[in-house]
Amino acid sequence: GAVVSQHPSWVICKSGTSVKIECRSLDFQATTMFWYRQFPKQSLMLMATSNEGSKATYEQGVEKDKFLINHASLTLSTLTVTSAHPEDSSFYICSARGLAGVNTGELFFGEGSRLTVL
Amino acid sequence: GDSVTQMEGPVTLSEEAFLTINCTYTATGYPSLFWYVQYPGEGLQLLLKATKADDKGSNKGFEATYRKETTSFHLEKGSVQVSDSAVYFCAFDSWGKLQFGAGTQVVVTP
Repeated sequence: GAVVSQHPSWVICKSGTSVKIECRSLDFQATTMFWYRQFPKQSLMLMATSNEGSKATYEQGVEKDKFLINHASLTLSTLTVTSAHPEDSSFYICSARGLAGVNTGELFFGEGSRLTVL
Repeated sequence: GDSVTQMEGPVTLSEEAFLTINCTYTATGYPSLFWYVQYPGEGLQLLLKATKADDKGSNKGFEATYRKETTSFHLEKGSVQVSDSAVYFCAFDSWGKLQFGAGTQVVVTP
């Protein structure tokens, strides 16, 4: 299947700093990318949906100024956690869907990025 | 609202045992249903899917049948292997976005 790569796979930062996580589709053009957050022993929570060249659509309760999402190209989306605090510590997962996946619903997932804010 | 409920883990089995992971959903209409699997250190990947009632999805020896009457999509495998140790997520398509269950960790011992 298609490959989606996330970087970094884990990051530790101090409270108040900003952290950027990249999500790349390596062998297909991702027209839509999704960002999820996963708490321990809980399901993936969709944070936002981004379409290439457009502003991201955020789910209810997700602070758009806190979690900046950019999808500037068909192969790259970034999530920036601004002024991170310990409660932002979590596992962040991106997924991508190309044109072929629009009607099938199939998503390709990155490996996830674990953020720890001290 | 829309939701997915799947059995809590971890589920620990011996090799060659029968595996069932229950999944039920609450949704409007008849969404497409999916099982995703996450092997240790890897991203989620699609295991199987079913797009309409009574459809059976199958892959790698796993099967799940779309049961409209019981709004269920239980995952089964007749004889598990150590390599099946992973976290399994049930999901459905909710207006173009996937709604996931909490995941069930499966541990298969030799």
